[in-house]
Amino acid sequence: QKEVEQNSGPLSVPEGAIASLNCTYSDRVSQSFFWYRQYSGKSPELIMSIYSNGDKEDGRFTAQLNKASQYVSLLIRDSQPSDSATYLCAVTDNAGNMLTFGGGTRLMVKP
Amino acid sequence: SQTIHQWPATLVQPVGSPLSLECTVEGTSNPNLYWYRQAAGRGLQLLFYSVGIGQISSEVPQNLSASRPQDRQFILSSKKLLLSDSGFYLCAWSVGRAYGYTFGSGTRLTVV
Repeated sequence: QKEVEQNSGPLSVPEGAIASLNCTYSDRVSQSFFWYRQYSGKSPELIMSIYSNGDKEDGRFTAQLNKASQYVSLLIRDSQPSDSATYLCAVTDNAGNMLTFGGGTRLMVKP
Repeated sequence: SQTIHQWPATLVQPVGSPLSLECTVEGTSNPNLYWYRQAAGRGLQLLFYSVGIGQISSEVPQNLSASRPQDRQFILSSKKLLLSDSGFYLCAWSVGRAYGYTFGSGTRLTVV
């Protein structure tokens, strides 16, 4: 069974700090990796995608992928209270039709 | 641009009543479509997915069903709701592995 694991949190960081969110996955043939942000009561919103090993930066967000270790992470620099949300890691199968979601990590950024 | 519409936003239904939630996608053809449920404080549970008209795959046995009568329309139904059907129902679409899923705004269903 394909699994995507995340620490449920809450992860609490002070405003301006770097928040580091981690995710591990079990399926070695996974090809595409995504991070979603979900505010309370709202639907998930895609914020980052990454397909190859290394880092991908977009504004304050950096996604990191290590396929050998089956590990993907999301760094949020200069964290803001508005970043407080649940962050979901998602991984596709080799065919790309199905996403498997982790249970999410709740991030709290304190002013 | 592609958009996804999901309605209603909130719904309160008595136990034993029927359910019909509709999802439509605009601006794309032959999308893969998905229905998820999220219980309060929990993760996403895949209920159904469809890769084409009339093609439905069920991930979890339950009293819910799905239909795809048109290319960009996906419907979630139940003949008789249970209390355990309460939750946040999300429709999503995708067109390939590179793009992930795009979610609709969701329907919050409370069965009373």
